[in-house]
Amino acid sequence: RKEVEQDPGPFNVPEGATVAFNCTYSNSASQSFFWYRQDCRKEPKLLMSVYSSGNEDGRFTAQLNRASQYISLLIRDSKLSDSATYLCVVTWDNFNKFYFGSGTKLNVKP
Amino acid sequence: GAVVSQHPSWVICKSGTSVKIECRSLDFQATTMFWYRQFPKQSLMLMATSNEGSKATYEQGVEKDKFLINHASLTLSTLTVTSAHPEDSSFYICSARDRNSGRPSYEQYFGPGTRLTVT
Repeated sequence: RKEVEQDPGPFNVPEGATVAFNCTYSNSASQSFFWYRQDCRKEPKLLMSVYSSGNEDGRFTAQLNRASQYISLLIRDSKLSDSATYLCVVTWDNFNKFYFGSGTKLNVKP
Repeated sequence: GAVVSQHPSWVICKSGTSVKIECRSLDFQATTMFWYRQFPKQSLMLMATSNEGSKATYEQGVEKDKFLINHASLTLSTLTVTSAHPEDSSFYICSARDRNSGRPSYEQYFGPGTRLTVT
């Protein structure tokens, strides 16, 4: 079983749409959670951390459900520039282990 | 700040040869560096974690004799793929972290990646 699982998509949405991705993780000892964004053939870039209380950064909202072992990312008012692959990342062992999901591809169309 | 470079960005080599990939932190001291491998349309897979001056810790299933990691200084880690074969063709990405900076422990800065093609 993979440590982190995501729906690969692609999610094809029009500009202005709201889209949500989920990610499940298998290790209940996981300590921290993040969403990264990766553009084609580029390195991943940190988008936001995910807290139990939920957190919001502009059009992006992240949620964590420890009981069900999943995290989510909501993007409101999608922009063309949001088109990318979104990677769910789970860490444990005091940030000495980082496990990436395979990513969910988002295509925002005009 | 917090820039990580990798060299080369793309390398093509013949089967059986060895390839060295460098990962450098340009404006900070990287106490920990991570090496990942990413196959097309797959996730980044953590290969190993290295702390400056000590041996790397390899993930299960990663051959330490095939993927030699050296983190001899606070700004440089190298990954050597020994006796490369076509199945080693992949995108290799390093990331670096500075635990002494006072910044959050989870922050890791990624290099741009090295595309290895073994023919």
